[in-house]
Amino acid sequence: DADVTQTPRNRITKTGKRIMLECSQTKGHDRMYWYRQDPGLGLRLIYYSFDVKDINKGEISDGYSVSRQAQAKFSLSLESAIPNQTALYFCAPELGDRERTDTQYFGPGTRLTVL
Amino acid sequence: AQTVTQSQPEMSVQEAETVTLSCTYDTSESDYYLFWYKQPPSRQMILVIRQEAYKQQNATENRFSVNFQKAAKSFSLKISDSQLGDAAMYFCAYRGDGNKLVFGAGTILRVKS
Repeated sequence: DADVTQTPRNRITKTGKRIMLECSQTKGHDRMYWYRQDPGLGLRLIYYSFDVKDINKGEISDGYSVSRQAQAKFSLSLESAIPNQTALYFCAPELGDRERTDTQYFGPGTRLTVL
Repeated sequence: AQTVTQSQPEMSVQEAETVTLSCTYDTSESDYYLFWYKQPPSRQMILVIRQEAYKQQNATENRFSVNFQKAAKSFSLKISDSQLGDAAMYFCAYRGDGNKLVFGAGTILRVKS
């Protein structure tokens, strides 16, 4: 599995605050993804990146922005947090090789609460 | 757009018994991947098993196996010899040319001792 670190693991913030969630991985995978999980809705894609210069919107990108600072780092920002962005956020680097192409391994998640 | 449906919000199984979790999907693509992920209370998303659509043979990983029916667009997960540690939320996921995972809503599996 890709070694994936997400910081912070838990965060409580107030409406209107800017928040950054960070993700780093140590396996050198080119592709990285950000998802949010809400009860009863599974996981939904926010943004993804195929390399440092390639950033793409997912199905629910409104209210979010991302930065791919390096191959190993992919950050998600909430410019002005709102309560309906309260969710569990996952980063997922993608492992691609002969045996496990197109498999995403997830980080430990960040639980974000917006009051 | 692709969709994934898990029709069982919750399932229960007795320890050491076998349980099958259902998943159906809708797609017009012919080449894709299907996954089952497990999410225990620790909330970590753990890959359980993976199936390539072009492979007719059903994937197996120890006590976990799938029944992949491509024509029916069905991808069920069978857990044999269920253990207490199998209790978790299970998600079925689809990945096609769109390069993203599309998830079902999940099935909560409870294991009774």
